[in-house]
Amino acid sequence: GDSVTQMEGPVTLSEEAFLTINCTYTATGYPSLFWYVQYPGEGLQLLLKATKADDKGSNKGFEATYRKETTSFHLEKGSVQVSDSAVYFCALSDGQNFVFGPGTRLSVLP
Amino acid sequence: DGGITQSPKYLFRKEGQNVTLSCEQNLNHDAMYWYRQDPGQGLRLIYYSQIVNDFQKGDIAEGYSVSREKKESFPLTVTSAQKNPTAFYLCASSWNGPQHFGDGTRLSIL
Repeated sequence: GDSVTQMEGPVTLSEEAFLTINCTYTATGYPSLFWYVQYPGEGLQLLLKATKADDKGSNKGFEATYRKETTSFHLEKGSVQVSDSAVYFCALSDGQNFVFGPGTRLSVLP
Repeated sequence: DGGITQSPKYLFRKEGQNVTLSCEQNLNHDAMYWYRQDPGQGLRLIYYSQIVNDFQKGDIAEGYSVSREKKESFPLTVTSAQKNPTAFYLCASSWNGPQHFGDGTRLSIL
């Protein structure tokens, strides 16, 4: 079946550092890929998405590129802020099923 | 504004008691989902519904029940058979794209 693997957390960075959270997937066909963010005590919010190979999703300074050849969708941000502290989930959808990764907790220190 | 409303935000259950969590959406989405999230953990699928009057068990359906009598509503009942119900419950909906989440209900045992 389909699956999503994320780098284990927690990830701790200083403010203005560069962020990468790795995400790889296993799926038959060509799924859509998503990154969600969850702030403490809240639901998940869609951060960005990509629906086909080489698409780049971007939002609020975050970016991720759909890499079919490496089955990856790594999340990046050039300069993180304390307010980016949250849990980040990578996910895929093949049109029938949604699969979420286990989440990666990010802590940004001032 | 369209969205998903979960209520209540906090809920307490006594031993042997059934409780029902509400989830309402005005996004006109066909599919709706219930997830359970334990502290520091990812999402686990409880039940999902692709269309009115139909629903399917997810990975951890034991001790839970749902109904889907209206497109807008997908209530979750946590029965007394669920021996460890303390968790954060998230409802989501989708139509041909990413899932949209409510703000969650935190259930605790008295």
